Formats: sequence, structure tokens, C-alpha cells
Amino acid sequence: KQEVTQIPAALSVPEGENLVLNCSFTDSAIYNLQWFRQDPGKGLTSLLLIQSSQREQTSGRLNASLDKSSGRSTLYIAASQPGDSATYLCAALNRDDKIIFGKGTRLHILP
Amino acid sequence: DAGVIQSPRHEVTEMGQEVTLRCKPISGHNSLFWYRQTMMRGLELLIYFNNNVPIDDSGMPEDRFSAKMPNASFSTLKIQPSEPRDSAVYFCASSGPEGTDTQYFGPGTRLTVL
Repeated sequence: KQEVTQIPAALSVPEGENLVLNCSFTDSAIYNLQWFRQDPGKGLTSLLLIQSSQREQTSGRLNASLDKSSGRSTLYIAASQPGDSATYLCAALNRDDKIIFGKGTRLHILP
Repeated sequence: DAGVIQSPRHEVTEMGQEVTLRCKPISGHNSLFWYRQTMMRGLELLIYFNNNVPIDDSGMPEDRFSAKMPNASFSTLKIQPSEPRDSAVYFCASSGPEGTDTQYFGPGTRLTVL
């Protein structure tokens, strides 16, 4: 049974710093791994999607990596800004079409 | 609680036909979300409602898609006319009350348009 874990559960960093969010999964037989941003009261916003055959994806200040052999993915945020404050979720799409979410990392960027 | 209920679980239709997907959120939840899952694009938010009012429909791909929430316990996502590229798994999720953001997903509806 797939389990997705995100560490840390919460993180506060000063504005301008680079930071890394971690996601681990127990079953490497996944179709893809996706990172989302969640703002209070809103739907999930897709940030980056990494297919199982890929190792990383980049979008602006965001970079996500995928290492299936170790069951890990990281989301790197460069030059953090107060607007980056949100909850970040990772989700693995299993071969049985089930999406398994981590519990998220609450990120707070200090002005 | 039975969780978020979606129907049908599977739908196979021909191009041009109207398709209606249904969702019953968890009782007491005040936010409802419709997502579409494809291999190429992953999970994408289509639209979400808060207290039965559509808040953001910017993810709805085009005018062929429409969603309604006539009351707190029911929502529909309609595609008319359907096209093969609409084939995907459509998820409904709900959350609430306000201040608790965990979204609870339904089992999804797998739509195949031939």
C-alpha cells in the first residue's frame, strides 16, 4: 500500500532564502508524481508534474526532482517570497489509478 | 459518513453525446472541487464552489464544460458535446467547514469518449 510522507510538516524561512521540501513514497511503481500548492479555502494549484520516466521538472523559481529508486522527490524553491507562503502537497499516481497525497508542508516566508 | 460519492464510476460514450457526472460531498462541508486527471497533465482543478457558489472556474477547458451546485449536497459536471480528448478520470472533492482545508476526494469517474 502506497504511503506518501512529507517532511517537515511546517517550515518558516526568511524572505530571499532558497529552500527544499521533501516527499517520500513507499511504492516506486508510480505513473507520476505531482506537486501542488494549496491556499486557504482554494482548490489545489498544480505546480509541477514529473512523469515516472523523468528525473526533474522546472518552472520559474521551482524545481522538482524525482528519484524512484529511493522513493523520494524534492521541491526546490529559489529566492523565496512572501507570496510563496502556502501549504505544499505532493501526490503520487499509482498504477491502479489511485492518487495518494502527502499531508503537506505548511510554508511561511517571513518578510 | 460515506465520504464523497461520485456517480457513475465508469462512463463510456460516443463523441457528441452529453455526459453528466455527479457528486455528493461530505455532509457539512462547504467547499466542493472538480478535478480532471490525465496521464499527460496530471491532476488539474476545473472549478470549485464555496457555499454552493462558483468561485473560480478558470480551469474549465472550454464552453462545452459546465458545472452546477443547486444545493449543498449535490453537484454536477456536464460536458456537451463530448469529445475523445475529454477522456480522463474526473474527481470531486469536498472540504470544510471553513478553516479546515483538508480535501476529501471521491473515487472518481473514469470517462471514455469514443
